[in-house]
Amino acid sequence: DTAVSQTPKYLVTQMGNDKSIKCEQNLGHDTMYWYKQDSKKFLKIMFSYNNKELIINETVPNRFSPKSPDKAHLNLHINSLELGDSAVYFCASSRTTGTGELFFGEGSRLTVL
Amino acid sequence: DAKTTQPNSMESNEEEPVHLPCNHSTISGTDYIHWYRQLPSQGPEYVIHGLTSNVNNRMASLAIAEDRKSSTLILHRATLRDAAVYYCILRNSGGSNYKLTFGKGTLLTVNP
Repeated sequence: DTAVSQTPKYLVTQMGNDKSIKCEQNLGHDTMYWYKQDSKKFLKIMFSYNNKELIINETVPNRFSPKSPDKAHLNLHINSLELGDSAVYFCASSRTTGTGELFFGEGSRLTVL
Repeated sequence: DAKTTQPNSMESNEEEPVHLPCNHSTISGTDYIHWYRQLPSQGPEYVIHGLTSNVNNRMASLAIAEDRKSSTLILHRATLRDAAVYYCILRNSGGSNYKLTFGKGTLLTVNP
């Protein structure tokens, strides 16, 4: 069983469209994250949720809206897509207590044309 | 999160040991040293972490300097599958916020 799964794995879309990426974890963790990896391969945290509550919100355009329906899911909705949104988006999860080891999904590659 | 410095790239031969260095001169007493790696086209994966003492697990060993200003990730016998970007990250143990800040990491190439 995949611990952290993301869908879709690949997404190609036009500028101006709205798209969503879904993430689910079956590890029983209570903290989930979205990271963005751009073409230069830098991994940057975007959001973090703990028990469905937003706890980290880095400087991200408000076109990006995360939603956590329950602590096993964290979805990312992006409005009015721009060329610069093209990147690989990684979902991750961890326990709140303990060592804080992060488990990452395989990534969702978004290409905006 | 405190900053770490790693070489941009390193090369190794298959079945030889690899020592990946990391400098973290501004580390605080409550910072854990974490290592992650990212294989091509995959998400990062946890490798090992430590606070003060050297640590071993099935993937690697972590050697931490006595003053904690540097550490070394040791792969005892590199395989082709170990070719990846290795990230050294400091995480403060205070609070329940596990924001990990990734740097550029070290690109490890393993030659057959």
